[in-house]
Amino acid sequence: GAVVSQHPSRVICKSGTSVKIECRSLDFQATTMFWYRQFPKQSLMLMATSNEGSKATYEQGVEKDKFLINHASLTLSTLTVTSAHPEDSSFYICSARESGGQETQYFGPGTRLLVL
Amino acid sequence: QKEVEQDPGPLSVPEGAIVSLNCTYSNSAFQYFMWYRQYSRKGPELLMYTYSSGNKEDGRFTAQVDKSSKYISLFIRDSQPSDSATYLCAMSPNNAGNMLTFGGGTRLMVKP
Repeated sequence: GAVVSQHPSRVICKSGTSVKIECRSLDFQATTMFWYRQFPKQSLMLMATSNEGSKATYEQGVEKDKFLINHASLTLSTLTVTSAHPEDSSFYICSARESGGQETQYFGPGTRLLVL
Repeated sequence: QKEVEQDPGPLSVPEGAIVSLNCTYSNSAFQYFMWYRQYSRKGPELLMYTYSSGNKEDGRFTAQVDKSSKYISLFIRDSQPSDSATYLCAMSPNNAGNMLTFGGGTRLMVKP
């Protein structure tokens, strides 16, 4: 089946630093990848949609200058949380849509970010 | 009112029970319906994918969609402790790959 990986799985950083999270589709090509954020005991909230080779589309209320998304290849998208603050602590999950496939989204295992 | 409503639970059942999980929605444009299972501190895993109304069965899982009532269900037969997780419904108006709207998730606990 379609496998999506994320790295790192967990990261702890100091306030003010930047953190990069990678999302990879391991056995398929993904023209579209999605970034979600999930707070404890809450559902996933879509942050942005990224298409390979073009700028990401951000959801309302998501700061594009704070959450930088790059989708440089058909198998890799990155989310960089710039100048992280404690309120950015959350579970970040990416998903990828298989090009020409069943059109469903396959999710990565998530990255837990803790900003001290 | 949220677009997709889902009882958060927790729902606790004994091993072997039939579990019924449900979502209601308000947007009649939704055409694609999915159920995801999410274990604690893990990403969601796609369980079932259904287009429009009807039933779909896969092993111990059955998904039902009633578009006239804007109501979808996931049934789990012979529930196992390993089924203990949060179940998220998701739906989309155009195709299952874009614009997913998630329910809040129902936490299920299957006790041995």
